Amino acid sequence: KAGVTQTPRYLIKTRGQQVTLSCSPISGHRSVSWYQQTPGQGLQFLFEYFSETQRNKGNFPGRFSGRQFSNSRSEMNVSTLELGDSALYLCASSPPSRGSWNEQFFGPGTRLTVL
Amino acid sequence: TQLLEQSPQFLSIQEGENLTVYCNSSSVFSSLQWYRQEPGEGPVLLVTVVTGGEVKKLKRLTFQFGDARKDSSLHITAAQTGDTGLYLCAGEWLRNRDDKIIFGKGTRLHILP
Repeated sequence: KAGVTQTPRYLIKTRGQQVTLSCSPISGHRSVSWYQQTPGQGLQFLFEYFSETQRNKGNFPGRFSGRQFSNSRSEMNVSTLELGDSALYLCASSPPSRGSWNEQFFGPGTRLTVL
Repeated sequence: TQLLEQSPQFLSIQEGENLTVYCNSSSVFSSLQWYRQEPGEGPVLLVTVVTGGEVKKLKRLTFQFGDARKDSSLHITAAQTGDTGLYLCAGEWLRNRDDKIIFGKGTRLHILP
C-alpha cells in the first residue's frame, strides 16, 4: 500500500505570495491532518479534515486554510506569506476506525522557505 | 495553554548503553503516542498508550504511561546507531475542545558507534 504523499517536497516563495500544498492520503483513509514543524515551536496542529469537512482546527491565523476533496486528497493554502511561515509542513492520514488520531501516518513533508 | 515537555532535549550516548527519555504534562490525556522522525522524513508512529500505568514493549524499546495519564517515558536498552532520530510524544484529549492533540518538541537522540 502506498504511503502518504506530499507535493511539492520543496518550495521557495517570497513574502506576500501565496502557496498551495497537496497531500494524498493512504488509500482508504478519510481523515487528513496538517501540521507545521519548526525548530522553535516543534510540531503544531493546523487542522483536520474528514469526509470533506474541517473537523478540528488549531490556533493559526486565517491565512492558513485547507480543504479536502471527495477522494480524500487534501490541500492547504497559505496566503500573504510571512518569513515566519518558513517550516516543514506535514500531512498525516488516519484509518477510519478508532477515531482520528489513534494512528496517524505522516508524509515526508513539504519544506517551505519564505524569503 | 496545554504543554507537553520532553526531556532531555538532546542526548548523545555510545552504542550499547541504555537510556530513558521523558514526556511530561500537567494535563490528563486520553491517549499518548510516541513517534520517531528521521531527517527528511515525517514522524513514524512507534506506539500508542491509553491506560494509566500501561507498559508496552517494542523490541528494545519500552514505553510506559503514567498512572495519572499525565506523563510517559521511553526506555531504550542497548541502544544501536539505528535508534538515532528525533523522538516525539503526542497527547490527545477527549473530543470536547480545540487543539485536541499536541506534540512535545522532541528529544534528539544520537547514538555513537
